[in-house]
Amino acid sequence: QQKVQQSPESLSVPEGGMASLNCTSSDRNFQYFWWYRQHSGEGPKALMSIFSDGDKKEGRFTAHLNKASLHVSLHIRDSQPSDSALYFCAASEVGNYAQGLTFGLGTRVSVFP
Amino acid sequence: EAAVTQSPRNKVAVTGGKVTLSCNQTNNHNNMYWYRQDTGHGLRLIHYSYGAGSTEKGDIPDGYKASRPSQENFSLILELATPSQTSVYFCASGGTGEANTEVFFGKGTRLTVV
Repeated sequence: QQKVQQSPESLSVPEGGMASLNCTSSDRNFQYFWWYRQHSGEGPKALMSIFSDGDKKEGRFTAHLNKASLHVSLHIRDSQPSDSALYFCAASEVGNYAQGLTFGLGTRVSVFP
Repeated sequence: EAAVTQSPRNKVAVTGGKVTLSCNQTNNHNNMYWYRQDTGHGLRLIHYSYGAGSTEKGDIPDGYKASRPSQENFSLILELATPSQTSVYFCASGGTGEANTEVFFGKGTRLTVV
């Protein structure tokens, strides 16, 4: 079973609109979350991390974590064409951070004019 | 910004042949990783390393070996390449291994095994 699950698989958003992405961990050992973004032909690049309950805002991006349910979301405000990309949720295992991140399957976001 | 360089960027290999994918990082990071990316599977960890001389198995190590001869270099080796290993491979590096340490990725190597 996928330890990190993302939804939806894909999302179309009008330019200037709000995109909302979801992620859930099925393993309570995976509690530290990252959002990565990957543009076509490139490697994934970190957008932001969230480790504590509540909201974390970085520019147009806001992440929300509920540790009780191990649910994390990413909201992209005022979406731009450059936000069109594949978005990954990734989690690290408590006490084993050096062993790398476990990734979800990704959400493909398309921003249309 | 942290730099991770992969070579080659594209590779076509024959079934049964040996393939070596190379990765170099100039960030002085202790930890390095090899992932493969496939549609429907996301990014999956193949091997990782804590430092020079160390290699550890990730989630899908079968058919792959890794080598970390120095802090900067981490290679992925396919001794007997198979078509199922056709994929995009990413190398990554991270610093302290703490939860809040960002992992930086290279641009990837597209491998086709025919």
